Amino acid sequence: AQTVTQSQPEMSVQEAETVTLSCTYDTSESDYYLFWYKQPPSRQMILVIRQEAYKQQNATENRFSVNFQKAAKSFSLKISDSQLGDAAMYFCAYRRTSGGSEKLVFGKGTKLTVNP
Amino acid sequence: DGGITQSPKYLFRKEGQNVTLSCEQNLNHDAMYWYRQDPGQGLRLIYYSQIVNDFQKGDIAEGYSVSREKKESFPLTVTSAQKNPTAFYLCASSRSLTLYEQYFGPGTRLTVT
Repeated sequence: AQTVTQSQPEMSVQEAETVTLSCTYDTSESDYYLFWYKQPPSRQMILVIRQEAYKQQNATENRFSVNFQKAAKSFSLKISDSQLGDAAMYFCAYRRTSGGSEKLVFGKGTKLTVNP
Repeated sequence: DGGITQSPKYLFRKEGQNVTLSCEQNLNHDAMYWYRQDPGQGLRLIYYSQIVNDFQKGDIAEGYSVSREKKESFPLTVTSAQKNPTAFYLCASSRSLTLYEQYFGPGTRLTVT
């Protein structure tokens, strides 16, 4: 079974600085998707960024970028120029592309605090 | 505005009562999902539906039931058989079951006493 591990329960960063959140996963599949979701205090899950496993290029969305290391099964999220609004729980998630791909497998999350 | 709505945001019930959580989407998505979130945990899949009149159990379906009579609606019933129903429930949808990311509604916090 696929598993997703986020080893940092909590992280903090100063406003305008850069922070990296870690995620590792375990799978025997060769093709899959990886996601980072943000859950602010409102508790709505918001998609931050998506990475297809077949793509070597790391995904980027404005201040958010990933470091995808397929061989190491690592998928970290870098937030540049951190803002107060970035404070939230961040969840890494995995999804197969083949049969049984209905499910997102989530890590337990990292709570990010942004200090002014 | 396109999106997913869940109502109500907070729901309180007495033990032994069934309760139905609403989920509506106007994104014209085929697939819909229900997840449960407990403190300190990620989300766990309860049920999912690929198309109208079809749905499948997820990892923790016991004590829950769903229906999919319309493309835009996927209500979840928490029955009295669910041992620990107090949780945060999130509904999601995607364009199809096998492709595309899932988008989430704002969630419903259910408290059963």
